[in-house]
Amino acid sequence: QLQLQESGSGLVKPSQTLSLTCAVSGGSIISGVYSWSWIRQPPGRGLEWIGYINHSGSTYYTSSLKSRVTISVDKSKNQFSLKLTSVTAADTAVYFCARVDVVTTIFDLWGQGNLVTVSS
Amino acid sequence: QSALTQPPSVSGAPGQRVTISCTGSNSNIGAGYDVNWYQQLPGKAPKLLIYGNNNRPSGVPDRFSGSKSDTSASLAITGLQAEDEADYYCQSYDSSVSVLYIFGTGTKVIVL
Repeated sequence: QLQLQESGSGLVKPSQTLSLTCAVSGGSIISGVYSWSWIRQPPGRGLEWIGYINHSGSTYYTSSLKSRVTISVDKSKNQFSLKLTSVTAADTAVYFCARVDVVTTIFDLWGQGNLVTVSS
Repeated sequence: QSALTQPPSVSGAPGQRVTISCTGSNSNIGAGYDVNWYQQLPGKAPKLLIYGNNNRPSGVPDRFSGSKSDTSASLAITGLQAEDEADYYCQSYDSSVSVLYIFGTGTKVIVL
């Protein structure tokens, strides 16, 4: 059974770069049927889609974060990653990785989430 | 539009029926894109509850149902149970350049 597991820094200083990785186990990340997304949820607030990467390495980011976000994939390690530069307290959130069916747009599989706090 | 609009909370007694609205625009729900619903229990990741407007994944009780009309969608919970107390989010695809996938603002269901 395919599973997603986030890992990375839980505390980042303001102006630095947030880095997270999502390891995919139980199946291959190379699939034309799915894309791989990052979503975040500030404490006590709703879900915000950040961006995705697909099997060919193409990416798409939400416009509000586009200038600061990079999503990449490492097929050899079966994982994909998120980098968010110049972070501020507003970037404090639980960050989820998820698998998305490209046809149905269903977020059908989620990681457990990784809390990242931006603080000096 | 950065998020689909949902009421912050709805409440009901056990056994009652509650509905959650999800209002979008002509670049998402109104454009004909499907609506999916997710349930998020405290401290957990969201879980798919309804897909393709009104379909339940295997294992989801038939107390949950979805509908869609024009630029809005709704999630109904009948026979409300204590375990249904959670946050619920709608989600759709958006054809605007600003965002590809759009989530609702979230609704907390409170079981009285």
